[in-house]
Amino acid sequence: GQNIDQPTEMTATEGAIVQINCTYQTSGFNGLFWYQQHAGEAPTFLSYNVLDGLEEKGRFSSFLSRSKGYSYLLLKELQMKDSASYLCAVSRGGSARQLTFGSGTQLTVLP
Amino acid sequence: NAGVTQTPKFRVLKTGQSMTLLCAQDMNHEYMYWYRQDPGMGLRLIHYSVGEGTTAKGEVPDGYNVSRLKKQNFLLGLESAAPSQTSVYFCASRDRVLGQPQHFGDGTRLSIL
Repeated sequence: GQNIDQPTEMTATEGAIVQINCTYQTSGFNGLFWYQQHAGEAPTFLSYNVLDGLEEKGRFSSFLSRSKGYSYLLLKELQMKDSASYLCAVSRGGSARQLTFGSGTQLTVLP
Repeated sequence: NAGVTQTPKFRVLKTGQSMTLLCAQDMNHEYMYWYRQDPGMGLRLIHYSVGEGTTAKGEVPDGYNVSRLKKQNFLLGLESAAPSQTSVYFCASRDRVLGQPQHFGDGTRLSIL
């Protein structure tokens, strides 16, 4: 079975750094994705980790530890527009590489 | 460059009515997916397709049927709508290359009365 946990809500201040954690238990792990979803909009791709370590992409970084079943998304220099839901999704093996999503972390950035 | 387009964007149905949601992608992607998103439950996979003419069940397939007659289109059907199917439905597609992300449409907001 699949089990993905991430905090339901987080609040941070503009200009600060925030770390959103994701833990998972899954069989056939094939990589981990992070998506951003603004209210009423489609999820958009942020990052992909398949090997252990840190992937950096501008203000956003994502980390993966396969042995611990753990990932985090790090957002630096927070802006008001970063207020959104952040979805952790685990890719399983098989031909279609299905994704199993966590429930999402609603981040609110305060001025 | 449209990407993934879903129609309609909104719909209200009565219990027992049927309808079809259309997903079209112009990126020549092999794989396509239908999800539903409910408050507090994240995105759940309904059905998916790995190519034209093929479909498979996801996590929550009951009450839904799908068809992939053309590579660019993936249809989701509700034969007899139930209030429990009130949700936001998202379609996604991706390239077959390992590690490629899924690209999502803007969603269809469906209410069943």
